[in-house]
Amino acid sequence: QVQLQQSGPGLVKPSQTLSLTCAISGDSVSSNSAAWNWIRQSPSRGLEWLGRTYYRSSWYKDYAISLKSRITIYPDTSKNQFSLQLNSVTPEDTAVYYCARKSFGYFFDYWGLGTLVTVSS
Amino acid sequence: QSALTQPASVSGSPGQSITISCTGTSSDVGGYNYVSWYQHHPGKAPKLMIYDVTNRPSGISNRFSGSKSGNTASLTISGLQAEDEADYYCYSYTSISTSGVFGGGTKLTVL
Repeated sequence: QVQLQQSGPGLVKPSQTLSLTCAISGDSVSSNSAAWNWIRQSPSRGLEWLGRTYYRSSWYKDYAISLKSRITIYPDTSKNQFSLQLNSVTPEDTAVYYCARKSFGYFFDYWGLGTLVTVSS
Repeated sequence: QSALTQPASVSGSPGQSITISCTGTSSDVGGYNYVSWYQHHPGKAPKLMIYDVTNRPSGISNRFSGSKSGNTASLTISGLQAEDEADYYCYSYTSISTSGVFGGGTKLTVL
């Protein structure tokens, strides 16, 4: 059974960097059949896919076009986890952030519990 | 990419059946059999209920079923139970972007 355990601060000041980590158990971040995603949910934008990282002999990353200049998602193979960094945050980045696995196919089969991140001074 | 259109809320009594619709375009819902549905109880992880329009993951009750007609996918829950009260979201592959597209979510109330 795959489990995703999220960690990171729930409060970030405007213009600073939001950092969250998703620890994986029951699978490997280096799996050749999975992609590791970040998704957020806010009242104004609903569910929004942010980006992903995955390994297919090399590491790949895809990001939502709207965030491409501010976002980094990267794996940590030594800890079997992956992380999200979102720079220069504003109150509009306030949301519940989820990590999720996409395996074979076009669906997310495992999700983390979510982390409410509030951007406020 | 616009969100897929779902009703904001639906309701039903225990034992009844309800259907939640998810309307997109030929670039997403209508063009591919890659619609999935998620159940979300507040404070818990979203849960995959249906994938590839009609398939149930192992362990999901057969009270949950999916279908599609044209640009609209549907999730039907039969024999409603109190524990089914939750938010439901659809998601579809889209040819327009890597991200796929989510529905706006439907709040199911079991009366």
